[in-house]
Amino acid sequence: AQSVTQLGSHVSVSEGALVLLRCNYSSSVPPYLFWYVQYPNQGLQLLLKYTSAATLVKGINGFEAEFKKSETSFHLTKPSAHMSDAAEYFCAVAGGTSYGKLTFGQGTILTVHP
Amino acid sequence: DGGITQSPKYLFRKEGQNVTLSCEQNLNHDAMYWYRQDPGQGLRLIYYSQIVNDFQKGDIAEGYSVSREKKESFPLTVTSAQKNPTAFYLCASSIDPPTGKGNTEAFFGQGTRLTVV
Repeated sequence: AQSVTQLGSHVSVSEGALVLLRCNYSSSVPPYLFWYVQYPNQGLQLLLKYTSAATLVKGINGFEAEFKKSETSFHLTKPSAHMSDAAEYFCAVAGGTSYGKLTFGQGTILTVHP
Repeated sequence: DGGITQSPKYLFRKEGQNVTLSCEQNLNHDAMYWYRQDPGQGLRLIYYSQIVNDFQKGDIAEGYSVSREKKESFPLTVTSAQKNPTAFYLCASSIDPPTGKGNTEAFFGQGTRLTVV
């Protein structure tokens, strides 16, 4: 069984500030981890993924995440926030070999203010 | 362009009615999924199918039904037995099993917002 916990349902940052969205997971098998972004009334877009290769993963739009097995974490970061980053972010874990059978965290709404 | 098409974007249902949400993909993916999204709860898996004419229940299948007669299509029916159907529904697809050549994620449609009136 897998589970995902996203710490903080809302995060607010200033434009240009560091973005840090936290994700901790639990998995009984080697995990495959994903971060997705969702804009209002739209589907999910993949930001980045960890599939047992490099532990530091770079994604689109300047985001990156580091897989830390000892901490069971996969936190998402971006050095400098843009207004366009305002959205909801979801961390998800896939167990086994089916990458679409996902367990999601509750989501974190990121607000970026000028 | 390859992708997943969900229709309609908005759907209104009266009490006691069944409604069907459409999901079509042209990505040649074997596996398809239905998720339900409620505010503050993330996404929860309703049903999934890894091959034509076969599907499995997810975590919240009660009050829903699906079919998979074609590889490209995976419609979801919200039945009158679903007590709280108002939600945002997302369809997804993925290669299954993964080829190990980078195609290791699920692709999502734009969603259907269902409201009970």
